[in-house]
Amino acid sequence: EAQVTQNPRYLITVTGKKLTVTCSQNMNHEYMSWYRQDPGLGLRQIYYSMNVEVTDKGDVPEGYKVSRKEKRNFPLILESPSPNQTSLYFCASSYTSAGELFFGEGSRLTVL
Amino acid sequence: ILNVEQSPQSLHVQEGDSTNFTCSFPSSNFYALHWYRWETAKSPEALFVMTLNGDEKKKGRISATLNTKEGYSYLYIKGSQPEDSATYLCASLGGGRRALTFGSGTRLQVQP
Repeated sequence: EAQVTQNPRYLITVTGKKLTVTCSQNMNHEYMSWYRQDPGLGLRQIYYSMNVEVTDKGDVPEGYKVSRKEKRNFPLILESPSPNQTSLYFCASSYTSAGELFFGEGSRLTVL
Repeated sequence: ILNVEQSPQSLHVQEGDSTNFTCSFPSSNFYALHWYRWETAKSPEALFVMTLNGDEKKKGRISATLNTKEGYSYLYIKGSQPEDSATYLCASLGGGRRALTFGSGTRLQVQP
């Protein structure tokens, strides 16, 4: 089954404790992206990757890191989480940056 | 228009009503316009990807039109059903950007 898998789906953590949200897709997509969704603001892009080893900042990259060492994986790293990073996070992939996005199920993160 | 704007923010209709929403986006260097349907507790799912001025797409009772010269797209739902209740997102790719910019969505509630 074609899918984008994120883990963890839910996480409560404390300020400053490094965490990684994994994202994996099995559709051989070139393009992958991370979004955060906050009430009233819609989906805002954090980082995206056009291909392996190619990553670029989105609209709200501060406090996040990513890597794209393999085509299928695109982890989101919060080196020192802060409460303003409490949000719902979505990973998405597509064949190209203009193509239909396939979204993961979302990861709800709470930073205390 | 620098951002992607959607109106109305929310909409309540009765079962059987037809309805439509608007998405406004930057018309300069336009490349693609996406519509997504996002049900509560699920992930956004693609409805349409549109690229050509004057394009019209249809999926069942849902259809969309695109005007790239003036920078707007309409999404129509004919004979709304309770299962159409969701947030409808549009996203634009253009203006020299290499990533989609999402609007904040139109939340539709269809009363039985």
